Amino acid sequence: GIQVEQSPPDLILQEGANSTLRCNFSDSVNNLQWFHQNPWGQLINLFYIPSGTKQNGRLSATTVATERYSLLYISSSQTTDSGVYFCAVRRGSTLGRLYFGRGTQLTVWP
Amino acid sequence: KAGVTQTPRYLIKTRGQQVTLSCSPISGHRSVSWYQQTPGQGLQFLFEYFSETQRNKGNFPGRFSGRQFSNSRSEMNVSTLELGDSALYLCASSVTDNEQFFGPGTRLTVL
Repeated sequence: GIQVEQSPPDLILQEGANSTLRCNFSDSVNNLQWFHQNPWGQLINLFYIPSGTKQNGRLSATTVATERYSLLYISSSQTTDSGVYFCAVRRGSTLGRLYFGRGTQLTVWP
Repeated sequence: KAGVTQTPRYLIKTRGQQVTLSCSPISGHRSVSWYQQTPGQGLQFLFEYFSETQRNKGNFPGRFSGRQFSNSRSEMNVSTLELGDSALYLCASSVTDNEQFFGPGTRLTVL
């Protein structure tokens, strides 16, 4: 299968700070998603970004597929950004199957 | 458009029992995937169904099974429950092989 590594595993910030989360993957992929897991366990879609750059408010993401990594940027962090952020990838042969990283646990203090 | 729904949200069973979890995908989505999340193993893929056919299966024992109905709703069944089956079970749907959207999950506790 595809290996997905996320870094850092834990990140503690003060409100207002910026952060960058990284996702490295071991094989070429045609699907990459970033999720935020809320305290109740649901995975909330942040970005569907197989390649290129996207922005949504204070969040943005960049995927460089040829170099097998993706970055999630969070600017002006808020306490509500706390939680676990997951990167997940899929390649064409793995029908319906996403490979997940272990996540980055983000804690934002007021 | 309504999101992915899963029932029940919480479940407590004892070892040896069986359990059935249900997932209703977003309207128009034909692919349903199931994942198990535990603190030790993280998020692991169970299986995926598309138009009532299982297209892909993860590395889980035969006690884990699933099916999909003609309306795309899916169920997964775990027989002879073990303590290690305690987990959050997540269901995701997608139109085909693109962006997946997840339900709120079913938290299963096996005593």
